[in-house]
Amino acid sequence: GQNIDQPTEMTATEGAIVQINCTYQTSGFNGLFWYQQHAGEAPTFLSYNVLDGLEEKGRFSSFLSRSKGYSYLLLKELQMKDSASYLCAVSRTDSWGKLQFGAGTQVVVTP
Amino acid sequence: GAVVSQHPSRVICKSGTSVKIECRSLDFQATTMFWYRQFPKQSLMLMATSNEGSKATYEQGVEKDKFLINHASLTLSTLTVTSAHPEDSSFYICSARSRRTGFNEQFFGPGTRLTVL
Repeated sequence: GQNIDQPTEMTATEGAIVQINCTYQTSGFNGLFWYQQHAGEAPTFLSYNVLDGLEEKGRFSSFLSRSKGYSYLLLKELQMKDSASYLCAVSRTDSWGKLQFGAGTQVVVTP
Repeated sequence: GAVVSQHPSRVICKSGTSVKIECRSLDFQATTMFWYRQFPKQSLMLMATSNEGSKATYEQGVEKDKFLINHASLTLSTLTVTSAHPEDSSFYICSARSRRTGFNEQFFGPGTRLTVL
């Protein structure tokens, strides 16, 4: 099996930066995804990391360290609309593309 | 591109009835579709993996006779909740993998909110 851990909730103010950590334990690692999910809606894709390093995409960046089983999602210049749940998900080579999701981190952006 | 639709978006039914949820990939062919269930304030739990033209693979603890999955074409998969009970009330989300994408990205549908009275 695989364990995926991420914090339950984080609060930050508008304009600030927040870093959401995700640790995982798995065999046959085949990539890590970050999704954003607003309440009552389906997840939307944010990023994908399969090699070590930082991937930057606008205000969002994602980092991966395979040796440490660790990833983070960095949200910069926070906006109120960024208030959502952020899901870390791991793919395995032997799972036909199935994703194992973490419990999600609820980010609350305050004025 | 890569749009996935679900129908219906919301359904309320009486206990004991069956409910069918459709998942369609609108502008791509989906080699594989996945069905998830999400309870309030919890993460997505994979229920089953569906490949076109073959039987679905169910996750441990998911009753295959209760949650019937049919993947009749490369653009359509259906989930039927048979003899629904109040504990089946949940948010059901499907996702689809495209033949085109080079990695394992899944495109999610908007979800179906099922309420069983």
